[in-house]
Amino acid sequence: EPEVTQTPSHQVTQMGQEVILRCVPISNHLYFYWYRQILGQKVEFLVSFYNNEISEKSEIFDDQFSVERPDGSNFTLKIRSTKLEDSAMYFCASSEGGVTNTDTQYFGPGTRLTVL
Amino acid sequence: AQSVSQHNHHVILSEAASLELGCNYSYGGTVNLFWYVQYPGQHLQLLLKYFSGDPLVKGIKGFEAEFIKSKFSFNLRKPSVQWSDTAEYFCAVRAPGTYKYIFGTGTRLKVLA
Repeated sequence: EPEVTQTPSHQVTQMGQEVILRCVPISNHLYFYWYRQILGQKVEFLVSFYNNEISEKSEIFDDQFSVERPDGSNFTLKIRSTKLEDSAMYFCASSEGGVTNTDTQYFGPGTRLTVL
Repeated sequence: AQSVSQHNHHVILSEAASLELGCNYSYGGTVNLFWYVQYPGQHLQLLLKYFSGDPLVKGIKGFEAEFIKSKFSFNLRKPSVQWSDTAEYFCAVRAPGTYKYIFGTGTRLKVLA
């Protein structure tokens, strides 16, 4: 069964550094998403991406964050200057059909980001 | 604002016990509802989903959920749990016309052998 994959599984960085989290969505999916989960808190939506554009984003997704599909398979989340509060598990997801009624998002295993 | 509540944060059961995990949402319109499971060290996996039709939905691994519109609830059930069901369970809601899922805080289930 096809799966969403994410690399790395764990990233440790210093405050102020840039990080890029990578995801390979399911190959026939057209819609891509990032979520995060701060330890002990809810999984929160960050952004959705379709046709090389952001289609929806949350208030968390500020100017420090950006997303990109640099080639036909990868989908990346960049945090420009990390803060301590960016420490979280970041989940990538993908789906076939976006906002259609029966669309379902499939999640990757997550990247645990630790900012020191 | 939309929100999802999962009332049980930690549940401990013995094998063969019955399971019911509560999920309530606040959104007043038509929603899509999901239960995901995360086994230790693994990714979020879809257990079941409800879009429309029969409010009793059957999913994988013997799980089912019932959508009760009047109670804004989508509780997850399994008649007889196994040790391998030890995991964290997440309820999620999506309002049609949006992309984002809104998740509950999750319920950690531990099944004792």
